[in-house]
Amino acid sequence: EAQVTQNPRYLITVTGKKLTVTCSQNMNHEYMSWYRQDPGLGLRQIYYSMNVEATDKGDVPEGYKVSRKEKRNFPLILESPSPNQTSLYFCASSHSLWDSPYEQYFGPGTRLTVT
Amino acid sequence: GENVEQHPSTLSVQEGDSAVIKCTYSDSASNYFPWYKQELGKRPQLIIDIRSNVGEKKDQRIAVTLNKTAKHFSLHITETQPEDSAVYFCAASINSNYQLIWGAGTKLIIKP
Repeated sequence: EAQVTQNPRYLITVTGKKLTVTCSQNMNHEYMSWYRQDPGLGLRQIYYSMNVEATDKGDVPEGYKVSRKEKRNFPLILESPSPNQTSLYFCASSHSLWDSPYEQYFGPGTRLTVT
Repeated sequence: GENVEQHPSTLSVQEGDSAVIKCTYSDSASNYFPWYKQELGKRPQLIIDIRSNVGEKKDQRIAVTLNKTAKHFSLHITETQPEDSAVYFCAASINSNYQLIWGAGTKLIIKP
C-alpha cells in the first residue's frame, strides 16, 4: 500500500529535550516536506527536500533541522524544543518534475506538546 | 513575502445547496493551484487541482475556476452533502513552483 508514515503519532515532552519525528514514504517520491498546522494559520512549511541531500528552508524553519540521506526518509529534528513548537506536524511527499508540482500525500500527523 | 488569502474562514450552508470558497494569491508566476480537504482528525487530501493553462476543471460535484489576470481561484461544491463537512485548504505554487503556499483554511458546515 502506497503511504507516508510518521512516528510517533503523539508526543509529550519537556522544554529542551531533543526529539526526532520520523517520516517515511514508499512511493519513490522525490519531493518531501514538513508542515506544522496551528488553528487559524493553516499549513506552514518548515523544510522541504527536492531529493537526497537537497533540503531547503520553508516559511518557519527556526528551531528545526532536517536531513535527507535516503530517498524514502525525511526526519524532523527539534534540538531544543520550546512550548511555541507545540503543534500538529505533517510530513508530505510527492513526485516533482523541475517545473511541475504534483499531488502531495500526507502522513497521519504527529501531535507534539512541549511543556 | 508571497501569500494566499482564503475566504470565508467559516461557511455554513444548507444540505443540497452550493458552497463557494475563494482564494487570492500574490505570486504572478504561480502555475499550480490545488485544493485539499481535511476531515476532523484526519490528514489533508487532494480533492481537485488546476494548472494555469486552463480556466476551469470539474470532477462530479466539485469544480475549480481560475482567473490568472485577477490572481484568484475558487472552489465550487454543488448539491452539498453531510460528508462535505470539513476544512478546505487552497494553495498556490511559488519559488519556481517547488513549494506550495497555503491559505488559512475554510471550515465548511453542512446543515441538515
